[in-house]
Amino acid sequence: QSALTQPRSVSGSPGQSVTISCTGTSSDVGGYNYVSWYQQYPGKAPKLLIYDVSKRPSGVPDRFSASKSGNTASLTISGLQAEDEADFYCCSYTGTYTLIFGGGTKLTVL
Amino acid sequence: QVQLVESGGGVVQPGGSLRLSCAASGFTVNNFGMHWVRQAPGEGLKWVSYVRSDGTYTSYTDSVKGRFVISRDNPKNTVYLQMNSLRPEDTAIYYCARDRGGAEYLDYWGQGTLVTVSS
Repeated sequence: QSALTQPRSVSGSPGQSVTISCTGTSSDVGGYNYVSWYQQYPGKAPKLLIYDVSKRPSGVPDRFSASKSGNTASLTISGLQAEDEADFYCCSYTGTYTLIFGGGTKLTVL
Repeated sequence: QVQLVESGGGVVQPGGSLRLSCAASGFTVNNFGMHWVRQAPGEGLKWVSYVRSDGTYTSYTDSVKGRFVISRDNPKNTVYLQMNSLRPEDTAIYYCARDRGGAEYLDYWGQGTLVTVSS
């Protein structure tokens, strides 16, 4: 199964907003409300940012928001900060206890 | 606090075997499903395998089916990944992660262990 489709890179200036898309199919993103997003700094383990399409775990700033429409999920980071520069991955449940990740998006804060 | 520590990585020749371990602390493993996720050098995350909390159900990505086996020892609070018939394309950092909601999302991750398959 191919990875979910994410842009390879996005960029924005401090204070701006950026949106990362994650496109799948009706068998994954479109079929379940179980999309999650992860942030990964170089050389570090991924960290959960968003679960169940749009819910934030405690401790994640409300600058991070997410949604889904059809087969595409989106992560929006508002009020960009230098510390947001990282790789971001979407992930979707695909049925029968299996998951699929997106290819990852590198966020550059200009 | 929740902690996951992977071990068992290393360098192995093609066709060889390795067993990875994931030791959990700060929570009781038998209440949670667990996953393995891998990341090849410079590449993205790829889901590898899942084991349900009671160990009665497992799932695998197609490329490792028949070669990898996930298991758990709940009294030891540890999850394992037995990797056989290893190929160069299995070279990656392997992360274990705690499952929430029945393979809906992964809320805690270990720091990873590097597996290199090379002659």
